Amino acid sequence: GAGVSQTPSNKVTEKGKYVELRCDPISGHTALYWYRQSLGQGPEFLIYFQGTGAADDSGLPNDRFFAVRPEGSVSTLKIQRTERGDSAVYLCASSSGTSTYGYTFGSGTRLTVV
Amino acid sequence: KNQVEQSPQSLIILEGKNCTLQCNYTVSPFSNLRWYKQDTGRGPVSLTIMTFSENTKSNGRYTATLDADTKQSSLHITASQLSDSASYICVVTVSGGYNKLIFGAGTRLAVHP
Repeated sequence: GAGVSQTPSNKVTEKGKYVELRCDPISGHTALYWYRQSLGQGPEFLIYFQGTGAADDSGLPNDRFFAVRPEGSVSTLKIQRTERGDSAVYLCASSSGTSTYGYTFGSGTRLTVV
Repeated sequence: KNQVEQSPQSLIILEGKNCTLQCNYTVSPFSNLRWYKQDTGRGPVSLTIMTFSENTKSNGRYTATLDADTKQSSLHITASQLSDSASYICVVTVSGGYNKLIFGAGTRLAVHP
Protein backbone atom coordinates (compact mmCIF):
# COMPACT_ATOMS: atom_id res chain seq x y z
CA GLY A 1 0.00 0.00 0.00
CA ALA A 2 0.90 3.66 -0.11
CA GLY A 3 1.61 3.90 3.60
CA VAL A 4 1.73 1.93 6.83
CA SER A 5 -1.78 1.06 7.93
CA GLN A 6 -2.68 0.25 11.52
CA THR A 7 -5.97 -1.10 12.75
CA PRO A 8 -7.94 -0.40 14.77
CA SER A 9 -7.17 3.28 15.22
CA ASN A 10 -8.68 3.16 18.70
CA LYS A 11 -9.29 0.26 21.04
CA VAL A 12 -10.91 0.35 24.46
CA THR A 13 -10.72 -2.86 26.45
CA GLU A 14 -11.34 -4.01 29.97
CA LYS A 15 -8.53 -4.90 32.31
CA GLY A 16 -7.61 -8.55 31.95
CA LYS A 17 -8.80 -8.92 28.36
CA TYR A 18 -6.76 -9.97 25.33
CA VAL A 19 -6.17 -7.58 22.42
CA GLU A 20 -4.62 -7.78 18.97
CA LEU A 21 -3.25 -4.81 17.09
CA ARG A 22 -2.58 -5.07 13.37
CA CYS A 23 0.03 -3.44 11.16
CA ASP A 24 0.11 -3.49 7.35
CA PRO A 25 3.55 -2.23 6.27
CA ILE A 26 4.48 -0.65 2.96
CA SER A 27 4.60 -3.33 0.30
CA GLY A 28 8.11 -4.69 -0.11
CA HIS A 29 9.46 -3.33 3.15
CA THR A 30 11.31 -6.14 4.87
CA ALA A 31 11.86 -4.41 8.19
CA LEU A 32 8.98 -3.81 10.59
CA TYR A 33 9.07 -2.20 14.01
CA TRP A 34 6.64 -1.82 16.88
CA TYR A 35 6.88 1.08 19.29
CA ARG A 36 4.82 2.18 22.28
CA GLN A 37 4.26 5.85 22.99
CA SER A 38 2.93 7.06 26.31
CA LEU A 39 1.41 10.51 26.67
CA GLY A 40 4.03 13.24 26.40
CA GLN A 41 6.82 10.79 25.67
CA GLY A 42 8.75 9.71 22.61
CA PRO A 43 8.15 6.27 21.12
CA GLU A 44 9.70 3.36 23.03
CA PHE A 45 11.04 0.38 21.08
CA LEU A 46 9.23 -2.93 21.49
CA ILE A 47 10.25 -5.34 18.74
CA TYR A 48 11.88 -5.49 15.31
CA PHE A 49 11.16 -7.95 12.51
CA GLN A 50 13.37 -8.66 9.53
CA GLY A 51 11.20 -10.69 7.24
CA THR A 52 9.26 -13.24 9.26
CA GLY A 53 11.59 -13.44 12.21
CA ALA A 54 11.79 -11.27 15.29
CA ALA A 55 15.40 -10.10 15.13
CA ASP A 56 15.17 -8.10 18.36
CA ASP A 57 12.37 -8.43 20.90
CA SER A 58 14.32 -6.91 23.78
CA GLY A 59 11.84 -4.05 24.13
CA LEU A 60 8.83 -6.20 24.96
CA PRO A 61 8.08 -5.31 28.60
CA ASN A 62 7.01 -8.78 29.74
CA ASP A 63 5.66 -12.11 28.54
CA ARG A 64 2.15 -10.73 28.18
CA PHE A 65 3.33 -9.07 24.99
CA PHE A 66 3.93 -11.06 21.83
CA ALA A 67 4.16 -10.20 18.13
CA VAL A 68 4.12 -12.23 14.95
CA ARG A 69 4.74 -11.65 11.28
CA PRO A 70 4.06 -15.07 9.74
CA GLU A 71 4.37 -14.19 6.06
CA GLY A 72 6.82 -11.34 6.28
CA SER A 73 4.28 -8.61 5.64
CA VAL A 74 1.39 -8.02 8.06
CA SER A 75 2.28 -8.08 11.74
CA THR A 76 0.09 -8.51 14.79
CA LEU A 77 0.98 -7.31 18.28
CA LYS A 78 -0.79 -9.38 20.91
CA ILE A 79 -1.29 -8.36 24.53
CA GLN A 80 -2.65 -10.84 27.05
CA ARG A 81 -4.29 -10.01 30.39
CA THR A 82 -4.17 -6.29 29.67
CA GLU A 83 -3.39 -3.90 32.50
CA ARG A 84 -4.19 -0.19 32.84
CA GLY A 85 -0.49 0.57 32.44
CA ASP A 86 -0.63 -0.87 28.92
CA SER A 87 -2.68 2.14 27.83
CA ALA A 88 -0.67 3.97 25.17
CA VAL A 89 -0.41 4.58 21.45
CA TYR A 90 1.16 1.62 19.70
CA LEU A 91 3.06 2.68 16.58
CA CYS A 92 4.21 0.50 13.74
CA ALA A 93 6.93 1.50 11.27
CA SER A 94 8.44 -0.18 8.25
CA SER A 95 11.53 0.40 6.18
CA SER A 96 13.48 -1.18 3.39
CA GLY A 97 16.13 -2.07 5.90
CA THR A 98 19.10 0.28 5.53
CA SER A 99 19.75 3.36 7.61
CA THR A 100 19.87 5.67 4.60
CA TYR A 101 16.20 5.04 3.91
CA GLY A 102 13.45 6.64 5.91
CA TYR A 103 11.22 4.82 8.28
CA THR A 104 7.53 5.26 7.58
CA PHE A 105 5.27 5.24 10.59
CA GLY A 106 1.62 4.36 10.77
CA SER A 107 -0.84 6.59 12.61
CA GLY A 108 -0.88 4.21 15.52
CA THR A 109 -3.48 2.39 17.58
CA ARG A 110 -4.58 4.16 20.73
CA LEU A 111 -5.17 1.46 23.34
CA THR A 112 -7.11 2.32 26.46
CA VAL A 113 -7.44 -0.25 29.21
CA VAL A 114 -10.24 0.54 31.65
CA LYS B 1 23.40 4.14 28.02
CA ASN B 2 22.10 5.42 24.69
CA GLN B 3 19.98 8.49 25.35
CA VAL B 4 18.49 11.42 23.47
CA GLU B 5 17.45 14.51 25.40
CA GLN B 6 15.44 17.39 23.99
CA SER B 7 14.74 20.90 25.15
CA PRO B 8 12.58 22.72 25.76
CA GLN B 9 9.87 20.26 26.71
CA SER B 10 7.27 22.64 25.34
CA LEU B 11 7.26 25.98 23.56
CA ILE B 12 4.67 28.57 22.62
CA ILE B 13 5.40 31.13 19.90
CA LEU B 14 3.42 33.59 17.82
CA GLU B 15 2.71 32.94 14.17
CA GLY B 16 5.45 34.30 11.94
CA LYS B 17 8.19 34.05 14.58
CA ASN B 18 11.24 31.79 14.42
CA CYS B 19 12.23 29.19 16.98
CA THR B 20 15.02 26.70 17.66
CA LEU B 21 14.65 23.30 19.27
CA GLN B 22 17.60 21.50 20.85
CA CYS B 23 18.70 17.87 20.95
CA ASN B 24 21.63 16.35 22.86
CA TYR B 25 22.51 12.71 22.48
CA THR B 26 24.78 10.08 23.94
CA VAL B 27 24.46 7.33 21.35
CA SER B 28 27.31 5.13 20.24
CA PRO B 29 28.10 4.06 17.66
CA PHE B 30 26.33 6.86 15.81
CA SER B 31 24.81 6.33 12.37
CA ASN B 32 22.53 9.27 11.69
CA LEU B 33 20.18 11.76 13.30
CA ARG B 34 16.66 12.52 12.20
CA TRP B 35 14.07 15.09 13.14
CA TYR B 36 10.45 13.99 12.99
CA LYS B 37 7.26 16.02 13.18
CA GLN B 38 4.34 14.33 14.92
CA ASP B 39 0.89 15.85 14.68
CA THR B 40 -1.60 14.92 17.37
CA GLY B 41 -3.06 11.49 16.70
CA ARG B 42 -0.67 10.77 13.86
CA GLY B 43 2.55 8.84 13.44
CA PRO B 44 5.89 10.69 13.19
CA VAL B 45 6.86 12.07 9.77
CA SER B 46 10.50 12.56 8.84
CA LEU B 47 11.71 16.13 8.29
CA THR B 48 15.47 15.73 7.92
CA ILE B 49 18.17 13.11 8.20
CA MET B 50 21.86 13.85 8.74
CA THR B 51 24.86 11.57 8.80
CA PHE B 52 28.09 12.10 10.73
CA SER B 53 29.66 14.25 8.03
CA GLU B 54 26.73 16.61 7.51
CA ASN B 55 26.50 19.85 9.46
CA THR B 56 23.23 21.22 8.17
CA LYS B 57 20.19 20.08 6.25
CA SER B 58 17.19 22.11 5.16
CA ASN B 59 13.65 21.14 4.27
CA GLY B 60 11.62 24.22 3.40
CA ARG B 61 11.29 26.36 6.52
CA TYR B 62 13.00 23.69 8.64
CA THR B 63 16.78 23.72 9.04
CA ALA B 64 18.57 21.12 11.11
CA THR B 65 22.18 21.35 12.30
CA LEU B 66 24.46 18.69 13.67
CA ASP B 67 27.65 19.01 15.69
CA ALA B 68 29.00 15.49 15.94
CA ASP B 69 31.84 16.58 18.23
CA THR B 70 29.58 17.97 20.93
CA LYS B 71 26.77 15.52 20.06
CA GLN B 72 24.24 18.27 19.66
CA SER B 73 21.62 19.02 17.05
CA SER B 74 19.13 21.79 16.57
CA LEU B 75 16.01 22.28 14.49
CA HIS B 76 15.30 25.85 13.42
CA ILE B 77 11.84 26.76 12.20
CA THR B 78 11.55 29.97 10.22
CA ALA B 79 8.43 32.11 9.85
CA SER B 80 6.29 29.71 11.86
CA GLN B 81 2.77 28.83 10.75
CA LEU B 82 -0.19 27.56 12.72
CA SER B 83 0.27 24.18 11.04
CA ASP B 84 3.70 23.88 12.63
CA SER B 85 1.97 23.14 15.94
CA ALA B 86 3.08 19.59 16.70
CA SER B 87 5.63 17.55 18.61
CA TYR B 88 9.15 17.52 17.16
CA ILE B 89 11.13 14.42 17.95
CA CYS B 90 14.87 13.96 17.64
CA VAL B 91 15.86 10.39 16.75
CA VAL B 92 19.37 8.93 16.62
CA THR B 93 20.15 5.69 14.82
CA VAL B 94 22.64 3.29 16.40
CA SER B 95 25.13 2.09 13.82
CA GLY B 96 25.50 -1.58 13.14
CA GLY B 97 23.04 -4.37 13.41
CA TYR B 98 19.61 -3.37 12.27
CA ASN B 99 19.70 0.40 12.77
CA LYS B 100 17.98 0.68 16.12
CA LEU B 101 16.33 4.06 16.70
CA ILE B 102 16.71 5.97 19.97
CA PHE B 103 13.94 8.54 20.40
CA GLY B 104 13.91 11.74 22.39
CA ALA B 105 10.78 12.66 24.32
CA GLY B 106 10.02 15.47 21.89
CA THR B 107 9.35 19.19 22.10
CA ARG B 108 5.71 20.16 21.95
CA LEU B 109 5.41 23.35 19.88
CA ALA B 110 2.28 25.49 19.87
CA VAL B 111 2.03 28.32 17.34
CA HIS B 112 -0.57 30.92 18.27
CA PRO B 113 -2.11 33.50 15.93
